[in-house]
Amino acid sequence: AQSVTQLGSHVSVSEGALVLLRCNYSSSVPPYLFWYVQYPNQGLQLLLKYTSAATLVKGINGFEAEFKKSETSFHLTKPSAHMSDAAEYFCAVSLTGGFKTIFGAGTRLFVKA
Amino acid sequence: EAGVVQSPRYKIIEKKQPVAFWCNPISGHNTLYWYLQNLGQGPELLIRYENEEAVDDSQLPKDRFSAERLKGVDSTLKIQPAELGDSAVYLCASSLGTGTSSVQFFGPGTRLTVL
Repeated sequence: AQSVTQLGSHVSVSEGALVLLRCNYSSSVPPYLFWYVQYPNQGLQLLLKYTSAATLVKGINGFEAEFKKSETSFHLTKPSAHMSDAAEYFCAVSLTGGFKTIFGAGTRLFVKA
Repeated sequence: EAGVVQSPRYKIIEKKQPVAFWCNPISGHNTLYWYLQNLGQGPELLIRYENEEAVDDSQLPKDRFSAERLKGVDSTLKIQPAELGDSAVYLCASSLGTGTSSVQFFGPGTRLTVL
């Protein structure tokens, strides 16, 4: 069975600093991996997804994530945080050939001025 | 293009009362999902529809929860009777495809409070 673990329920960075949100997954077969963002009072929206093409995936708003099979990780990064990046971020995993997507518990990102 | 629409956005009820949530997916999206999101947790799938067929309802507590998607478009999720532990956000999502690589588009959710 697949699972996903997000390390750190809360992350705080200063504006302009590097953003690093950690995600590790467990999967017996090649996975699809996603990062979604949820702004207050809004639904989740896709930031980026990995589907076995390039291991470095670029998403919207300057975010990117790197698939590392040896580390079973899919960490989300952004070189320079902006106040508007403050939100909750969810990592998700689903299996090739399967039908269910499993979401992590989420990491709330705080950006300090 | 309109996104996924959910109503109501907020609902407060007494325990043992019934409650219903409505979802209208993005036009043309044949797959519809209902998720439960507890505070501090990620979404957990309750039921997935492909068109009007419920293809995965293994996590739906069938003693009190029911769902329908008549005509394969909008959907209703019902709880009867509600319990205190049902307080959560109920999310609806839709996708164009049926596979797990499909991107899901989420509505804003319905926040249920059971008193």
